[in-house]
Amino acid sequence: DVKVTQSSRYLVKRTGEKVFLECVQDMDHENMFWYRQDPGLGLRLIYFSYDVKMKEKGDIPEGYSVSREKKERFSLILESASTNQTSMYLCASYSGTNTGELFFGEGSRLTVL
Amino acid sequence: AQKITQTQPGMFVQEKEAVTLDCTYDTSDPSYGLFWYKQPSSGEMIFLIYQGSYDQQNATEGRYSLNFQKAKKSANLVISASQLGDSAMYFCAMRVDQGAQRLVFGQGTRLTINP
Repeated sequence: DVKVTQSSRYLVKRTGEKVFLECVQDMDHENMFWYRQDPGLGLRLIYFSYDVKMKEKGDIPEGYSVSREKKERFSLILESASTNQTSMYLCASYSGTNTGELFFGEGSRLTVL
Repeated sequence: AQKITQTQPGMFVQEKEAVTLDCTYDTSDPSYGLFWYKQPSSGEMIFLIYQGSYDQQNATEGRYSLNFQKAKKSANLVISASQLGDSAMYFCAMRVDQGAQRLVFGQGTRLTINP
């Protein structure tokens, strides 16, 4: 069965802390994505990666960086967390099917105090 | 600019009724894909249905169908015979980059099914 696993469902951090959100997929997918979900704004793409060590900025990359050292793992990094980064973060990988749907993890709800 | 618009923040429907969730899109690319996802309160995004821009027929998956009107740039989701378990957030999305498989999402519609 397809699986995208995000390491933490809920995190509470303080302003200025460095935050790591981890995502692992077991489907050998090339493309992986980090989205941020906020009420009334839907999902917005932060970064994506189409291969190991490759990354591309999405629509809202400011304040974030990513790391993809292994194919199955895609990490989102907040170098210095701020309160406006309080949000739900969703990781996804591309299915490779004809329809091209994304498979999503269960999300990580981050609160920055 | 490539954009998805969902104009219904919330909808309330009686159980067993059909419901239509609206979605309009904007793109100048002739080749695109349209998706609907369901997000229950547990948080995971569940893929429901897909429509390609060149598909001649409307997509259907069980109780879900996509009313694709290309000239109007609309891709409404129709759920027949709604059930209590259909209560969730619903997102319309468009693939904007065939190579990278990037999706642009709408704001979402919260659907509540009343018994």
